[in-house]
Amino acid sequence: NAGVTQTPKFQVLKTGQSMTLQCAQDMNHEYMSWYRQDPGMGLRLIHYSVGAGITDQGEVPNGYNVSRSTTEDFPLRLLSAAPSQTSVYFCASSYTQGAYGYTFGSGTRLTVV
Amino acid sequence: AQSVSQHNHHVILSEAASLELGCNYSYGGTVNLFWYVQYPGQHLQLLLKYFSGDPLVKGIKGFEAEFIKSKFSFNLRKPSVQWSDTAEYFCAVKGPETSYDKVIFGPGTSLSVIP
Repeated sequence: NAGVTQTPKFQVLKTGQSMTLQCAQDMNHEYMSWYRQDPGMGLRLIHYSVGAGITDQGEVPNGYNVSRSTTEDFPLRLLSAAPSQTSVYFCASSYTQGAYGYTFGSGTRLTVV
Repeated sequence: AQSVSQHNHHVILSEAASLELGCNYSYGGTVNLFWYVQYPGQHLQLLLKYFSGDPLVKGIKGFEAEFIKSKFSFNLRKPSVQWSDTAEYFCAVKGPETSYDKVIFGPGTSLSVIP
């Protein structure tokens, strides 16, 4: 049982490049979320999904796209990377609306130069 | 807007000292409350959670937290810290006003335990 798997662990992008951060879970969780973690700001919600085919915006969605074609996968796409998107990105999943706590992935450290 | 605040940005303690990290939230009504821990270089892990019932919640590794509804607080405690408790601690809240999977995290408190 792998839990929540994120790839890659580290990535350096040039401004304007696009990329996809991968997230997969094998716990049959309906709910999945993407957070970014910045020093002194805690975790801020980017996008979330309550099930396959359903996604919605969080607190800081600009510059990011998501899709949820299967229960297992929830990729995060950066459309045109900017230095302000330098951050650590965490994917999280849960059974029911996060009410019982999240399971987090190990994170992706992204640097945009 | 809903918010979660944590009293201290950085706490430094000696081993065996007692720990209390403050957390306050701005919701009214029924809430679910969480403390997560992030050890250096690792992802967040759930320490403990409160849904209802006994306001004193016990979690892993000797941590506990007390929910005081009248104060909108959910403070984390440990009687005697160890060097291995050095980590960042996040309080999180899910309230009835949030839809779906929106859990709000506090800014975090960095704990350094000196041997």
